[in-house]
Formats: sequence, C-alpha cells, structure tokens
Amino acid sequence: NAGVTQTPKFRILKIGQSMTLQCTQDMNHNYMYWYRQDPGMGLKLIYYSVGAGITDKGEVPNGYNVSRSTTEDFPLRLELAAPSQTSVYFCASSKTRFNEQFFGPGTRLTVL
Amino acid sequence: KNEVEQSPQNLTAQEGEFITINCSYSVGISALHWLQQHPGGGIVSLFMLSSGKKKHGRLIATINIQEKHSSLHITASHPRDSAVYICAVSFGGGADGLTFGKGTHLIIQP
Repeated sequence: NAGVTQTPKFRILKIGQSMTLQCTQDMNHNYMYWYRQDPGMGLKLIYYSVGAGITDKGEVPNGYNVSRSTTEDFPLRLELAAPSQTSVYFCASSKTRFNEQFFGPGTRLTVL
Repeated sequence: KNEVEQSPQNLTAQEGEFITINCSYSVGISALHWLQQHPGGGIVSLFMLSSGKKKHGRLIATINIQEKHSSLHITASHPRDSAVYICAVSFGGGADGLTFGKGTHLIIQP
C-alpha cells in the first residue's frame, strides 16, 4: 500500500493563478481531510469528506474548493491564488472518524 | 472556542532523559491524538486515545478526561526522537477533523 500520496511536492504560483493539489489514498478510507500548516501555527482544517460525493467546510475554507467523485481521490482546488495561501498542505484519511488519521507527505506551496 | 494548548513549546534534553510533553484542551472530546512530525515534514500518528493509557515501545500516552489533560512520555530518550510532537483532538459532533496544538519542538542531544 502506498498510503496517502500527494502531488506536487513543491509549487510556486503567481498571484491570481489557480491550481489543483492532488490527494489519493489506497486504503479504502471513507474519511478524507485537507489541512494547512503555517509556521508557528497548528494545522488547520480546510475541507473534509465523509465519503464519495459528500464534502464539508472546515475552519479555513475561503479561497479553496474540493470535490470527491471517488473514494480514492480528494483534490483541493485553489482559485485566484493569494500570498495568504502560502503554506504547507497536508491531506489525510481515516477509516472512520474514530480511527487514526494517515497523512500524506505534504505539498509546499508558495504564492508570489 | 475549542482550543488545544501544548507545553513546553521547545524542549532540549540529553540522551537518556525522561521526557514529558503536556496537552490540555478546553471542552469535552471524543478522542485525542499524538502525532510526530519529522524534520523532513512528514506526519505520523503515534497514539489515539479516549481514556486511560497506551504504550508503544518507549512512548507512553496518558489522558485524564476529568482534568482535560494528556501527557506524552518518552523513556530513555534518543537523538532519533528529535521531532515536533503534536497534540490534536476531535471535539465530537460531526466528522469535523482534528483541532491541533502548535506542537512541541523536541531536541535530544547525544
């Protein structure tokens, strides 16, 4: 099992550009999450999904969109990138909300 | 506001020392997680607990539900234990992910 994979590992965007961060898990987990980690701050929840076709906002959803068309994939879309979106993004998954979460390796995004 | 506080923020110790990292939270939870973030950035789940105590190798995690407090202990610490240790909680209700502390940066010197 590859676990949770994320692409790309690094990306530099210009202000106003858009991009999609990819996340895939091969553990047949229903629950998937996107978090962002800023220096000196705890990770914060952006969006989460409890199964294919079901998504919901977390603590910091503004400027992002998600979709969940399959159990395996949970892409995060940034529209009109802003410097405030410079961060490290982690995708995670769990079997249920009562199980441990498995994290991907992260995507380091810089918006200039 | 649901909050998670960790202490200390930074900890430097000598190899072999007994390490304690503390976590407190503001309201009732359904589960508490301890995570380790390696210098390269990857995050690994160490423990998930909702009561009592769990042990894995040299790591021990305890939780006191009444006091809303958890501790992570490392016995016989080693330089390879150097990492950021993160406490995170699930505040219950819907599947709304985890709320994280800011982490404890641990350095074990040889």
